[in-house]
Amino acid sequence: DAGVIQSPRHEVTEMGQEVTLRCKPISGHDYLFWYRQTMMRGLELLIYFNNNVPIDDSGMPEDRFSAKMPNASFSTLKIQPSEPRDSAVYFCASSPAGGMVLTFGAGSRLTVL
Amino acid sequence: KQEVTQIPAALSVPEGENLVLNCSFTDSAIYNLQWFRQDPGKGLTSLLLIQSSQREQTSGRLNASLDKSSGRSTLYIAASQPGDSATYLCAGSGTSYGKLTFGQGTILTVHP
Repeated sequence: DAGVIQSPRHEVTEMGQEVTLRCKPISGHDYLFWYRQTMMRGLELLIYFNNNVPIDDSGMPEDRFSAKMPNASFSTLKIQPSEPRDSAVYFCASSPAGGMVLTFGAGSRLTVL
Repeated sequence: KQEVTQIPAALSVPEGENLVLNCSFTDSAIYNLQWFRQDPGKGLTSLLLIQSSQREQTSGRLNASLDKSSGRSTLYIAASQPGDSATYLCAGSGTSYGKLTFGQGTILTVHP
């Protein structure tokens, strides 16, 4: 298995632009998580899905952020409009039923100028 | 709200030393405790998972323990090697297992 695949690996954009981050979880995993990592706040859970259904989005910072999982093999995290304070590494992770052991992707490093 | 603290923030040791990384959490209702490794520019790799009914886990040169009553977990690395150099993060969860609260990490450098 290729693991959790995220794209793009690096994104540089200007304030106000729309950003879409993509994730392909491990086949057969029921849970998908989006985490954000910054120097100031460390790793924080943004949202997670179970069987493509959003279960907890309490970590989504504001309405500019949205996440979808249209099917079991694909998820997106969208920021519109982006702001400099959104600059971070965004990680996607997936886990099998039970959600105990997460496999993380390599992350998408976002820089908003 | 669960808060996780890791001490020390950074550690530099010579190869071959045994070392201990510490993690403390504020809410004893923690259910699972996990230790991860993160290499620069990479994602996280799960090292050890201590489930609610367990007190420790071992994998090779790594041993992790969990004491819920004191709100502490330790990661013991035996006979450290330069390849162990990385950031080590601990994370706790309640019954929503994947909803992890992470510490800030310990940056470990093992020099030859």
